[in-house]
Amino acid sequence: EAQVTQNPRYLITVTGKKLTVTCSQNMNHEYMSWYRQDPGLGLRQIYYSMNVEVTDKGDVPEGYKVSRKEKRNFPLILESPSPNQTSLYFCASSLTLPGLPGGAFFGQGTRLTVV
Amino acid sequence: SQQGEEDPQALSIQEGENATMNCSYKTSINNLQWYRQNSGRGLVHLILIRSNEREKHSGRLRVTLDTSKKSSSLLITASRAADTASYFCGIGANNLFFGTGTRLTVIP
Repeated sequence: EAQVTQNPRYLITVTGKKLTVTCSQNMNHEYMSWYRQDPGLGLRQIYYSMNVEVTDKGDVPEGYKVSRKEKRNFPLILESPSPNQTSLYFCASSLTLPGLPGGAFFGQGTRLTVV
Repeated sequence: SQQGEEDPQALSIQEGENATMNCSYKTSINNLQWYRQNSGRGLVHLILIRSNEREKHSGRLRVTLDTSKKSSSLLITASRAADTASYFCGIGANNLFFGTGTRLTVIP
Protein backbone atom coordinates (compact mmCIF):
# COMPACT_ATOMS: atom_id res chain seq x y z
CA GLU A 1 0.00 0.00 0.00
CA ALA A 2 1.31 3.43 -0.98
CA GLN A 3 1.79 5.46 2.15
CA VAL A 4 3.71 7.99 4.19
CA THR A 5 4.55 6.63 7.63
CA GLN A 6 5.38 8.79 10.60
CA ASN A 7 6.62 7.62 13.97
CA PRO A 8 5.79 8.05 16.71
CA ARG A 9 2.12 9.03 16.46
CA TYR A 10 2.11 10.55 19.92
CA LEU A 11 5.02 11.85 21.98
CA ILE A 12 5.29 13.68 25.28
CA THR A 13 8.75 14.93 26.12
CA VAL A 14 10.50 17.42 28.36
CA THR A 15 12.09 20.70 27.41
CA GLY A 16 15.60 20.29 26.04
CA LYS A 17 15.54 16.55 25.40
CA LYS A 18 16.53 15.90 21.80
CA LEU A 19 14.03 13.95 19.74
CA THR A 20 13.56 12.70 16.21
CA VAL A 21 10.30 12.13 14.36
CA THR A 22 10.75 9.73 11.50
CA CYS A 23 9.03 9.89 8.13
CA SER A 24 9.23 7.25 5.44
CA GLN A 25 7.47 6.94 2.08
CA ASN A 26 7.30 3.88 -0.16
CA MET A 27 6.33 5.60 -3.41
CA ASN A 28 9.78 6.60 -4.66
CA HIS A 29 8.78 10.24 -4.33
CA GLU A 30 11.40 12.92 -4.92
CA TYR A 31 9.78 15.65 -2.82
CA MET A 32 9.20 15.49 0.92
CA SER A 33 8.25 18.13 3.46
CA TRP A 34 7.28 18.75 7.08
CA TYR A 35 4.39 20.88 8.32
CA ARG A 36 3.15 21.81 11.73
CA GLN A 37 -0.50 22.49 12.41
CA ASP A 38 -1.65 24.76 15.20
CA PRO A 39 -5.17 26.01 16.04
CA GLY A 40 -5.92 29.27 14.30
CA LEU A 41 -2.67 29.16 12.32
CA GLY A 42 -3.38 26.37 9.87
CA LEU A 43 -0.55 24.32 8.38
CA ARG A 44 2.84 25.94 8.16
CA GLN A 45 5.76 24.42 6.33
CA ILE A 46 8.92 23.75 8.36
CA TYR A 47 11.38 22.26 5.86
CA TYR A 48 11.21 20.61 2.49
CA SER A 49 13.45 18.50 0.29
CA MET A 50 13.33 18.25 -3.48
CA ASN A 51 15.64 15.25 -3.61
CA VAL A 52 18.36 13.35 -1.77
CA GLU A 53 20.84 15.66 -0.03
CA VAL A 54 18.76 18.73 -1.01
CA THR A 55 16.87 20.45 1.81
CA ASP A 56 15.54 23.96 2.26
CA LYS A 57 13.77 26.05 4.86
CA GLY A 58 10.05 26.59 4.86
CA ASP A 59 8.17 29.30 6.69
CA VAL A 60 8.94 28.22 10.28
CA PRO A 61 12.32 26.39 10.37
CA GLU A 62 13.64 27.78 13.67
CA GLY A 63 14.34 25.05 16.22
CA TYR A 64 14.19 22.21 13.68
CA LYS A 65 16.66 20.24 11.59
CA VAL A 66 16.14 17.74 8.80
CA SER A 67 18.23 15.44 6.68
CA ARG A 68 17.64 13.56 3.43
CA LYS A 69 20.28 10.88 3.15
CA GLU A 70 17.96 8.42 1.43
CA LYS A 71 15.08 9.05 -0.93
CA ARG A 72 12.49 7.34 1.23
CA ASN A 73 13.32 8.93 4.62
CA PHE A 74 13.06 12.50 5.86
CA PRO A 75 13.44 12.70 9.65
CA LEU A 76 12.58 15.82 11.62
CA ILE A 77 14.97 16.57 14.45
CA LEU A 78 14.32 18.82 17.43
CA GLU A 79 17.70 19.34 19.08
CA SER A 80 16.34 21.17 22.14
CA PRO A 81 12.54 21.10 22.16
CA SER A 82 10.64 23.92 23.80
CA PRO A 83 6.97 24.17 24.80
CA ASN A 84 6.19 26.38 21.79
CA GLN A 85 6.98 23.38 19.60
CA THR A 86 4.00 21.55 21.01
CA SER A 87 1.99 20.89 17.87
CA LEU A 88 0.61 18.38 15.38
CA TYR A 89 3.26 17.53 12.81
CA PHE A 90 2.73 16.16 9.32
CA CYS A 91 5.13 14.74 6.81
CA ALA A 92 4.14 14.91 3.15
CA SER A 93 5.59 13.62 -0.10
CA SER A 94 4.96 13.97 -3.80
CA LEU A 95 6.35 12.37 -6.94
CA THR A 96 7.80 15.64 -8.17
CA LEU A 97 6.57 19.08 -7.17
CA PRO A 98 3.51 19.07 -4.88
CA GLY A 99 1.75 21.70 -6.96
CA LEU A 100 1.57 19.43 -9.98
CA PRO A 101 -1.21 16.91 -10.74
CA GLY A 102 -1.18 14.14 -8.19
CA GLY A 103 -0.72 16.54 -5.33
CA ALA A 104 0.85 15.56 -2.05
CA PHE A 105 0.46 12.50 0.16
CA PHE A 106 0.37 13.13 3.90
CA GLY A 107 1.30 10.96 6.84
CA GLN A 108 -1.07 10.35 9.73
CA GLY A 109 0.50 12.97 11.93
CA THR A 110 2.59 13.10 15.10
CA ARG A 111 1.13 14.87 18.09
CA LEU A 112 4.02 16.28 20.09
CA THR A 113 3.73 17.76 23.57
CA VAL A 114 6.74 19.44 25.15
CA VAL A 115 6.43 20.09 28.88
CA SER B 1 1.71 35.38 1.26
CA GLN B 2 0.98 32.50 -1.07
CA GLN B 3 -1.48 30.75 1.17
CA GLY B 4 -5.16 30.55 0.45
CA GLU B 5 -7.80 31.60 2.91
CA GLU B 6 -10.82 29.37 3.30
CA ASP B 7 -14.25 30.71 4.09
CA PRO B 8 -16.37 30.15 6.11
CA GLN B 9 -14.33 28.94 9.07
CA ALA B 10 -17.12 26.56 10.04
CA LEU B 11 -20.19 25.22 8.31
CA SER B 12 -22.93 22.98 9.68
CA ILE B 13 -25.54 21.38 7.42
CA GLN B 14 -28.03 18.54 7.40
CA GLU B 15 -27.27 15.32 5.60
CA GLY B 16 -28.42 15.50 2.00
CA GLU B 17 -27.84 19.25 1.68
CA ASN B 18 -25.11 20.79 -0.43
CA ALA B 19 -22.03 22.34 1.16
CA THR B 20 -20.09 25.18 -0.42
CA MET B 21 -16.77 26.49 0.81
CA ASN B 22 -14.56 29.11 -0.71
CA CYS B 23 -10.88 29.86 -1.09
CA SER B 24 -9.35 33.23 -1.84
CA TYR B 25 -5.70 33.82 -2.68
CA LYS B 26 -3.44 36.70 -3.56
CA THR B 27 -0.78 35.44 -5.97
CA SER B 28 -1.06 34.18 -9.53
CA ILE B 29 -1.37 30.41 -9.73
CA ASN B 30 -0.85 27.52 -12.12
CA ASN B 31 -3.02 25.07 -10.19
CA LEU B 32 -5.17 25.04 -7.09
CA GLN B 33 -5.87 21.95 -5.03
CA TRP B 34 -8.44 20.96 -2.44
CA TYR B 35 -7.72 18.61 0.45
CA ARG B 36 -9.80 17.00 3.20
CA GLN B 37 -8.62 16.39 6.75
CA ASN B 38 -10.52 14.11 9.09
CA SER B 39 -10.09 15.09 12.70
CA GLY B 40 -6.42 14.97 13.66
CA ARG B 41 -5.47 12.91 10.61
CA GLY B 42 -3.37 13.68 7.56
CA LEU B 43 -4.67 15.66 4.61
CA VAL B 44 -6.05 13.75 1.66
CA HIS B 45 -5.89 15.16 -1.87
CA LEU B 46 -9.35 15.59 -3.40
CA ILE B 47 -9.02 17.45 -6.67
CA LEU B 48 -6.75 19.77 -8.64
CA ILE B 49 -7.95 22.48 -10.99
CA ARG B 50 -5.63 24.16 -13.46
CA SER B 51 -5.56 27.91 -13.98
CA ASN B 52 -7.03 27.54 -17.48
CA GLU B 53 -10.00 25.54 -16.20
CA ARG B 54 -13.16 27.14 -14.86
CA GLU B 55 -14.89 24.09 -13.46
CA LYS B 56 -14.05 20.51 -12.64
CA HIS B 57 -16.09 17.59 -11.31
CA SER B 58 -15.18 14.48 -9.40
CA GLY B 59 -18.05 12.38 -8.11
CA ARG B 60 -20.03 14.59 -5.71
CA LEU B 61 -17.37 17.30 -5.79
CA ARG B 62 -17.54 20.33 -8.01
CA VAL B 63 -14.72 22.87 -8.02
CA THR B 64 -14.79 26.23 -9.72
CA LEU B 65 -11.97 28.66 -10.27
CA ASP B 66 -12.16 32.35 -11.09
CA THR B 67 -8.63 33.63 -11.66
CA SER B 68 -9.85 37.19 -12.22
CA LYS B 69 -11.25 37.23 -8.68
CA LYS B 70 -8.49 34.98 -7.34
CA SER B 71 -11.03 32.65 -5.80
CA SER B 72 -12.15 29.05 -5.91
CA SER B 73 -15.11 27.20 -4.50
CA LEU B 74 -15.66 23.59 -3.52
CA LEU B 75 -19.20 22.26 -3.68
CA ILE B 76 -20.08 18.93 -2.10
CA THR B 77 -23.48 17.77 -3.27
CA ALA B 78 -25.86 15.50 -1.34
CA SER B 79 -23.61 15.60 1.73
CA ARG B 80 -23.18 12.60 4.01
CA ALA B 81 -22.16 12.32 7.64
CA ALA B 82 -18.85 10.87 6.41
CA ASP B 83 -18.09 14.22 4.72
CA THR B 84 -17.63 15.76 8.16
CA ALA B 85 -14.05 17.03 8.05
CA SER B 86 -11.95 20.13 7.52
CA TYR B 87 -11.31 21.24 3.97
CA PHE B 88 -8.26 23.14 2.78
CA CYS B 89 -7.21 24.72 -0.46
CA GLY B 90 -3.55 24.27 -1.38
CA ILE B 91 -1.73 26.95 -3.36
CA GLY B 92 1.71 26.80 -4.90
CA ALA B 93 3.95 24.85 -7.24
CA ASN B 94 7.31 24.14 -5.61
CA ASN B 95 5.64 24.13 -2.20
CA LEU B 96 2.06 23.93 -1.05
CA PHE B 97 0.61 26.59 1.22
CA PHE B 98 -2.59 26.13 3.16
CA GLY B 99 -4.93 28.32 5.15
CA THR B 100 -6.77 27.46 8.33
CA GLY B 101 -9.48 25.48 6.56
CA THR B 102 -13.25 25.20 6.66
CA ARG B 103 -14.62 22.84 9.28
CA LEU B 104 -17.67 21.09 7.83
CA THR B 105 -20.12 19.25 10.06
CA VAL B 106 -22.80 17.15 8.40
CA ILE B 107 -25.61 16.29 10.80
CA PRO B 108 -27.25 12.90 10.20
